[in-house]
Amino acid sequence: DAKTTQPNSMESNEEEPVHLPCNHSTISGTDYIHWYRQLPSQGPEYVIHGLTSNVNNRMASLAIAEDRKSSTLILHRATLRDAAVYYCILRRNNFNKFYFGSGTKLNVKP
Amino acid sequence: GAVVSQHPSWVICKSGTSVKIECRSLDFQATTMFWYRQFPKQSLMLMATSNEGSKATYEQGVEKDKFLINHASLTLSTLTVTSAHPEDSSFYICTAWERQVKQGVTEAFFGQGTRLTVV
Repeated sequence: DAKTTQPNSMESNEEEPVHLPCNHSTISGTDYIHWYRQLPSQGPEYVIHGLTSNVNNRMASLAIAEDRKSSTLILHRATLRDAAVYYCILRRNNFNKFYFGSGTKLNVKP
Repeated sequence: GAVVSQHPSWVICKSGTSVKIECRSLDFQATTMFWYRQFPKQSLMLMATSNEGSKATYEQGVEKDKFLINHASLTLSTLTVTSAHPEDSSFYICTAWERQVKQGVTEAFFGQGTRLTVV
């Protein structure tokens, strides 16, 4: 399974944008890029996913590099409630298994 | 949105006893569910795939006789930790997939997790 690499932690100020990077240099053409986040003592929560094109939803934006070897999750205005561990995961098309990497712990300062 | 519910949210049991954890998809059917385990300050580790009406498939290194999985209906999977020991203390999380027809999105919904403490 293709692996992802994320920084261990990042810090942001409240109401400022946050860019969370993810490297996935061994991605294959059928791999989707998924982002989930996990608050303490809770199960992960879906954030966004994409294949090739950039994606936007009410929670975030996903910017995918042209060669698909990296992607960036963008939180447009961080709030204290966005403090969580963010996981970037690759999923092969038609397979629903997720293998989690270590994720990025996002701290949001008031 | 779709909801996956786990029960119980937390459980304390004595060493040597067995504990059953339930995972339910509340408003959709799931032919496949997945079970994860998470130790403190670590990431989620996939344990097994629960298949409705058939045997579960386990990831390498996971003891199938210790972690019994039953998926008897399209909305319920259970994980039984048999002869639990303190090293089995962990956060257990299940997930199921739902296809969001309107949005055309297929995403995984995770349960809230079950904190198991073996004393």
